[in-house]
Amino acid sequence: DADVTQTPRNRITKTGKRIMLECSQTKGHDRMYWYRQDPGLGLRLIYYSFDVKDINKGEISDGYSVSRQAQAKFSLSLESAIPNQTALYFCATSDPGSSQPQHFGDGTRLSIL
Amino acid sequence: DQQVKQNSPSLSVQEGRISILNCDYTNSMFDYFLWYKKYPAEGPTFLISISSIKDKNEDGRFTVFLNKSAKHLSLHIVPSQPGDSAVYFCAARTYGSSNTGKLIFGQGTTLQVKP
Repeated sequence: DADVTQTPRNRITKTGKRIMLECSQTKGHDRMYWYRQDPGLGLRLIYYSFDVKDINKGEISDGYSVSRQAQAKFSLSLESAIPNQTALYFCATSDPGSSQPQHFGDGTRLSIL
Repeated sequence: DQQVKQNSPSLSVQEGRISILNCDYTNSMFDYFLWYKKYPAEGPTFLISISSIKDKNEDGRFTVFLNKSAKHLSLHIVPSQPGDSAVYFCAARTYGSSNTGKLIFGQGTTLQVKP
């Protein structure tokens, strides 16, 4: 079983819909992250959380929100999806003492029509 | 403004030879650099990192070199193996972002190692 699991793996939806991407981890790590990848741009940080009560905006948080329901779960929401949020989304965790993402999920490919 | 650039979208190397992946950066405030490997349909995997106070870091077949004056780093894979075929991302962190997880990623280079 994967240490970092993302659901769904693929999603197609329409503009204006609310979408939730879920991430769960079995590594017991406090630090979790959400990134998006666009072609030709590498990965960009959306939100990060260093423990259940700590949520921080990343580089491109506009249009997104997150929820850290438990140490193991970190969800990303698009309240009203728009086409330019079409991308590949990754959740990640990092080892204790590290603030760099080290363990990534396999990604969620999101298409907004 | 692309602060971290991987100017070669792809690289093809024969098995057993050296693979050299390059990365250039523009921000002199970067103090830590990382390389990630990504296979299709999987998430990136952390590979190796280097602090700006060093010019070389080695881990098995993988060595990262940092040339601060040229604002350039490179990843050497010796010897290259077919299983190394993947997309490689370099990433950089500024000192002020040391506790945020904020990394600036390059666009990635696709490495193909031919048997």
